[in-house]
Amino acid sequence: QKEVEQDPGPLSVPEGAIVSLNCTYSNSAFQYFMWYRQYSRKGPELLMYTYSSGNKEDGRFTAQVDKSSKYISLFIRDSQPSDSATYLCAMSAKRAGAGSYQLTFGKGTKLSVIP
Amino acid sequence: DSGVTQTPKHLITATGQRVTLRCSPRSGDLSVYWYQQSLDQGLQFLIQYYNGEERAKGNILERFSAQQFPDLHSELNLSSLELGDSALYFCASSARDMNTGELFFGEGSRLTVL
Repeated sequence: QKEVEQDPGPLSVPEGAIVSLNCTYSNSAFQYFMWYRQYSRKGPELLMYTYSSGNKEDGRFTAQVDKSSKYISLFIRDSQPSDSATYLCAMSAKRAGAGSYQLTFGKGTKLSVIP
Repeated sequence: DSGVTQTPKHLITATGQRVTLRCSPRSGDLSVYWYQQSLDQGLQFLIQYYNGEERAKGNILERFSAQQFPDLHSELNLSSLELGDSALYFCASSARDMNTGELFFGEGSRLTVL
């Protein structure tokens, strides 16, 4: 079982729809949870950052973390064509016996928002 | 614009050759990370430097090496290149020494090995 699982899509929705993107994980040591957005031929851009369980809202974006289910979600309300991109989940855990953290990315879900 | 600068943007070379990728972090960031992105493997962590010192190592091949210079820019050297090394190579920077995930990525260097 991979540490982080993310459906690659592609996901195609009409403009204005609510989009739900999800990742599951197996490592209960993950403490920090992120969503990155990557436009075609660009580098990933940090979109949402949360620590531990709970919800975080930023404009049209809401990130949810459910540590009991090992499940994180990103919701996009009133989706726009400019939201068309690949969305990568990522999570970080302290390495066992080391002073460093390990950041693990999902493979990304490609989203297209159709006008 | 993330503030992280990577050169070159595109590179085409032959098997067996050696290339150097360069990264300038955001102003004030002491950590530099190198990642490889391919279609089948996704984003794979290669190595991290913090203020000139190697801080963490990921799935970096022995043919690859990196360093961070006193002015904090970093170089990733890829040698004895193979077809399978064709990928996007990203540099990211952060202010922290711990990779808790707040990274700022450059636009990447696309390497094609023929």
